[in-house]
Amino acid sequence: DVKVTQSSRYLVKRTGEKVFLECVQDMDHENMFWYRQDPGLGLRLIYFSYDVKMKEKGDIPEGYSVSREKKERFSLILESASTNQTSMYLCASSFPTLQGHYEQYFGPGTRLTVT
Amino acid sequence: GENVEQHPSTLSVQEGDSAVIKCTYSDSASNYFPWYKQELGKRPQLIIDIRSNVGEKKDQRIAVTLNKTAKHFSLHITETQPEDSAVYFCAALYNQGGKLIFGQGTELSVKP
Repeated sequence: DVKVTQSSRYLVKRTGEKVFLECVQDMDHENMFWYRQDPGLGLRLIYFSYDVKMKEKGDIPEGYSVSREKKERFSLILESASTNQTSMYLCASSFPTLQGHYEQYFGPGTRLTVT
Repeated sequence: GENVEQHPSTLSVQEGDSAVIKCTYSDSASNYFPWYKQELGKRPQLIIDIRSNVGEKKDQRIAVTLNKTAKHFSLHITETQPEDSAVYFCAALYNQGGKLIFGQGTELSVKP
């Protein structure tokens, strides 16, 4: 059973703080993703990673960075938190099956509030 | 650019009725289309997916259809039940590394 965990369920930070969100998966998946979820906007991809030390920008990377030093761990960093980064953050991991399917397994989410 | 449009944003049906959610995608190279269900307060979970080499796939009360020429695909839920109430997301694969682009989501409400 795939397990994706995130470091916090709820987080409150002040404007300008540096924020770290961590995600860990236990199934040796190569691909990992960070999304933010806002009402009416769906799941928007922030960054993703195909392998250790590798990262690619998603649709909304501005104000974020990521780190993947180990295969099982993918961290999202808000360099200087702002109120418009208040959101639900979801991490996911996936691997391609032989049939060409790419099921993504999601973590429980971190609800971040920036005041 | 990479885009998936999903309609409607909200859908309310009576228990036992059918529900249909539609998505269109922009990249003709996409060949994998999953649907995720997110119940209130929970994480999204895959409920059904389809690859572009088939036009339809069924799993009990849910089915997905794909029209590659028109670049749209749909989720069909028959005999809806209150436990089907959730937000549903469609997605399209945009590269072989597993990058999915998601639609905006449809909040389905099934009234008993």
